[in-house]
Parts: sequence; structure tokens; C-alpha cells
Amino acid sequence: EDQVTQSPEALRLQEGESSSLNCSYTVSGLRGLFWYRQDPGKGPEFLFTLYSAGEEKEKERLKATLTKKESFLHITAPKPEDSATYLCAIPYSGGGADGLTFGKGTHLIIQP
Amino acid sequence: SQTIHQWPATLVQPVGSPLSLECTVEGTSNPNLYWYRQAAGRGLQLLFYSVGIGQISSEVPQNLSASRPQDRQFILSSKKLLLSDSGFYLCAWSIRDYGYTFGSGTRLTVV
Repeated sequence: EDQVTQSPEALRLQEGESSSLNCSYTVSGLRGLFWYRQDPGKGPEFLFTLYSAGEEKEKERLKATLTKKESFLHITAPKPEDSATYLCAIPYSGGGADGLTFGKGTHLIIQP
Repeated sequence: SQTIHQWPATLVQPVGSPLSLECTVEGTSNPNLYWYRQAAGRGLQLLFYSVGIGQISSEVPQNLSASRPQDRQFILSSKKLLLSDSGFYLCAWSIRDYGYTFGSGTRLTVV
């Protein structure tokens, strides 16, 4: 069964304090790993897709990396506007089903 | 560019009342469409997905149903709402695995 586990559940940082969020996954045949940002009361906003181990993608203060068992979202010198819940997801691996399996997310708070 | 519309944004319904949530997609053809629910303290749970008109697959047994009367329209329904149906409902579309785009969501409170 596909599984996605995110840690920590919540993280409070000071502005400028860099850190990393973890997403570990179990799947038979990875067809991509997605990172989303979700603000309160809104739908998830797409950030990155990673397809193979060793791949890295960057966007402003965010960098996502992928290994064969986990992905990291690195946040460098965060600002208060980076506060959000960050979600990790993988496509269903088989059985004819379609869609994404999500982790429960990391609630990130950046204090000024 | 592709956009996804979902309405209403919030809804308060009494137990036993019917439900209809609508989602439409613009700027793409034959997308895969999805309904997710996000409950407090839980991750997003896939409820239904559709790969074409009239083709609906359900991932979990529940009090809800879905329909796709047109290529870019996806509807979530219930004949009689339960308290446990409360949650944040999200519509999404994709073309294969090349990104999943979500709507803005509907906050449903069943009272």
C-alpha cells in the first residue's frame, strides 16, 4: 500500500532561520513526487514535481530534493510569508486507481 | 491558460438535506477530474475520480456520489447529508501525472 509520511507535523522558525521538511514514501514504482503549499481556507498550490532520485528543483527560497525513499523541502532564510502547510504527495502506484496519496502535511510558522 | 472554478466557497447545510457542489475546468480538454475531502487533522482523501464523461470511480464507501455530465464539469452530490460529511472539499484536474491543479475549495458544515 502506498504511504506518505511527513515530518515534523509542525515547525516554528524565526525569520531567516533555515530548515528542512521531510517526506518519506513507500510505493512500488514512483511516478513522481509532488510538493504543494496550502494556505488556510484555500486549495493546495503546486510547487514542484520530482521524478527521479538525485533530482533537485528550486523556487525562490525553496529547494526540493528526492532520494529513493524520501524527499526534502529545504527552506533557506524564510520570511513570514512562507508560513503555510506544506504537503507532499505521490501518484497511486497501480490497481487501476488514479489520483494522489497525500501526507498529512507540515504546518510551518515563520515568526518575524 | 487553464483555470478551475469551484463553488460555493462555504456552505452550511442541515443534516438530511441534499448537497450539490460543482466544479468546472477551462482551457483544457479531456482532463482527469478528482474530488478530495480534507478533514481536520487528516490528510487529503481522494473521494472520486473521472477519466471521461460518465466515467466515475469511487475510492471510499460513503454517503456521497459524483457525476460528470460534460467533459469539463464535475459534480459532487448527496441525497441526505450526515454530520460526518462536514469538511473541506476540493476539486482538482490533471492531464496524466503532469501536475494536479486544485480549486479553491468548499467549506461544508453540516449542522
